[in-house]
Amino acid sequence: GAVVSQHPSWVICKSGTSVKIECRSLDFQATTMFWYRQFPKQSLMLMATSNEGSKATYEQGVEKDKFLINHASLTLSTLTVTSAHPEDSSFYICSARSGRQETQYFGPGTRLLVL
Amino acid sequence: SQQGEEDPQALSIQEGENATMNCSYKTSINNLQWYRQNSGRGLVHLILIRSNEREKHSGRLRVTLDTSKKSSSLLITASRAADTASYFCATWGGGSYIPTFGRGTSLIVHP
Repeated sequence: GAVVSQHPSWVICKSGTSVKIECRSLDFQATTMFWYRQFPKQSLMLMATSNEGSKATYEQGVEKDKFLINHASLTLSTLTVTSAHPEDSSFYICSARSGRQETQYFGPGTRLLVL
Repeated sequence: SQQGEEDPQALSIQEGENATMNCSYKTSINNLQWYRQNSGRGLVHLILIRSNEREKHSGRLRVTLDTSKKSSSLLITASRAADTASYFCATWGGGSYIPTFGRGTSLIVHP
């Protein structure tokens, strides 16, 4: 149980385009989802926390108009990178948690390359 | 938010040897969790140890927690090549329900 999927796993896009990444909890209701960004050989950097039906809470320094997060249902959250630029190239990972559960379950990640 | 810091940053051992990595944190916690990340993949939850626990085992994993020193260690016994991955600790507590991660320890187990 506790499986989280992400789609797509890989995306290559041109500079200026928008990219949407989906995060789904497959067998549990994810009241909270987290979006992380990870650069090579570095730790996960929390970008934002989203609760189902509420606006996402962004970490300091993360542009909310750049990284649009929607958590419209208990099983799906989306991250849209708007007007992507090469510096947005990174590995994006989502995780999901049910209620005040202490363990969060991670998706397999999405590698974004902006040309 | 709190942050665990893992030590060492990189560890290279032979198959069959034990691997020990440490995590230090700064403020009080409710629990500490260890995760594994294979290259280019998401994180897999390994073990959770609560602040009132001192040691926990799961298969070949042994985790200790010393709240007086604000540190934890993860021991992998009889390591295998498949244990090659990055290992992260994450702390949870101080009124925050958002765990934050350290930089991780990169473990390479040579066959």
